Amino acid sequence: AQSVTQLGSHVSVSEGALVLLRCNYSSSVPPYLFWYVQYPNQGLQLLLKYTTGATLVKGINGFEAEFKKSETSFHLTKPSAHMSDAAEYFCAVTPGAGNNRKLIWGLGTSLAVNP
Amino acid sequence: DAGVIQSPRHEVTEMGQEVTLRCKPISGHNSLFWYRQTMMRGLELLIYFNNNVPIDDSGMPEDRFSAKMPNASFSTLKIQPSEPRDSAVYFCASSRLQGTTEAFFGQGTRLTVV
Repeated sequence: AQSVTQLGSHVSVSEGALVLLRCNYSSSVPPYLFWYVQYPNQGLQLLLKYTTGATLVKGINGFEAEFKKSETSFHLTKPSAHMSDAAEYFCAVTPGAGNNRKLIWGLGTSLAVNP
Repeated sequence: DAGVIQSPRHEVTEMGQEVTLRCKPISGHNSLFWYRQTMMRGLELLIYFNNNVPIDDSGMPEDRFSAKMPNASFSTLKIQPSEPRDSAVYFCASSRLQGTTEAFFGQGTRLTVV
């Protein structure tokens, strides 16, 4: 079975500060991991993904995440927050093999960016 | 590609009425997902299809909800009869079965049942 835990339902940072959104997962098989962003009144958009290979993955809008198997973590970071980063962020996991493409979702983290 | 297309974008209906939500997945994608999002319960997977076949409908709340995928380019989610507690944003997403399989989401249908 798989599960995802996002620590902190609300995170607030100042513009220009580091963004760190935490995601821990559990999976009995090698996972594929994803971060999605949702802006108000819009659908979810893929930020970045980890499948295999390099454990540090870079995504859109300056975000990156590092897959740490030993810590079962996939935390999302951005060195310098921008006002436009204010949104809801979701971490998700799916089995890395087979035909099960069901994503298991975290509950989301709402990011506020203060001027 | 136009992305995942959902219609309508907004729907307001009276309790007891039938509601049909529509989704056109991205061409070439063979997995399709229906999600519901509310403030109270977050993002919930209702049902998903592989190659037009329902694989997991354990998230469908009750018999009032039904979903079909008659072909690779179209799916519907029907609620009959609708109730106020069905008010939510309903998302459709599609992905490929092969490869890295990230899901692409539509813009959603905001349903309000009064």
